[in-house]
Amino acid sequence: AQSVAQPEDQVNVAEGNPLTVKCTYSVSGNPYLFWYVQYPNRGLQFLLKYITGDNLVKGSYGFEAEFNKSQTSFHLKKPSALVSDSALYFCAVRDSAGANNLFFGTGTRLTVIP
Amino acid sequence: DAGITQSPRYKITETGRQVTLMCHQTWSHSYMFWYRQDLGHGLRLIYYSAAADITDKGEVSDGYVVSRSKTENFPLTLESATRSQTSVYFCASRTSGVNYEQYFGPGTRLTVT
Repeated sequence: AQSVAQPEDQVNVAEGNPLTVKCTYSVSGNPYLFWYVQYPNRGLQFLLKYITGDNLVKGSYGFEAEFNKSQTSFHLKKPSALVSDSALYFCAVRDSAGANNLFFGTGTRLTVIP
Repeated sequence: DAGITQSPRYKITETGRQVTLMCHQTWSHSYMFWYRQDLGHGLRLIYYSAAADITDKGEVSDGYVVSRSKTENFPLTLESATRSQTSVYFCASRTSGVNYEQYFGPGTRLTVT
């Protein structure tokens, strides 16, 4: 069975500082990992994904994520946070069976403080 | 506009009533999904569909019914709404390829009183 854990419900960071949103996963087989962002009263927007290849994945809005197989982690990062990055972030892993739907973590609320 | 839309965006209903949430996508994606979002649970899969007339249950399907007579539409029906079904419901779709990334609608906020 696959699962995703986001250990922090809330992350606060000052504008201009680097940010990290943590995600660990458990999956049988090769992991397919995703990050989504949700702004207030909006649906989820795709940020980036890891399927294979380089461990550092670059995505939308300057975000990147580092895949670490030994630590089963897929942390989301950005070198310099913007106030507009404040949102709810979800990590997800592909279900290897059925329709390959996604299993989501419980989300991390990022607040960037001006 | 192209994309994935949901209607209504907000709905208040009473316990025991039947409610249908609509989802429409213009990409001709094969797969469509319904999720519910609740605090502390993230998103949980209710039902999914691999193609027209093919549907299957997800993690939290009890009390819900779906149909998919056309590729572009995937309505979700609560046959007899309960307060525990108060939630935000998201529809999503994706292609049948290996990308697996899903595209989400704006959501429907449902309150059952």
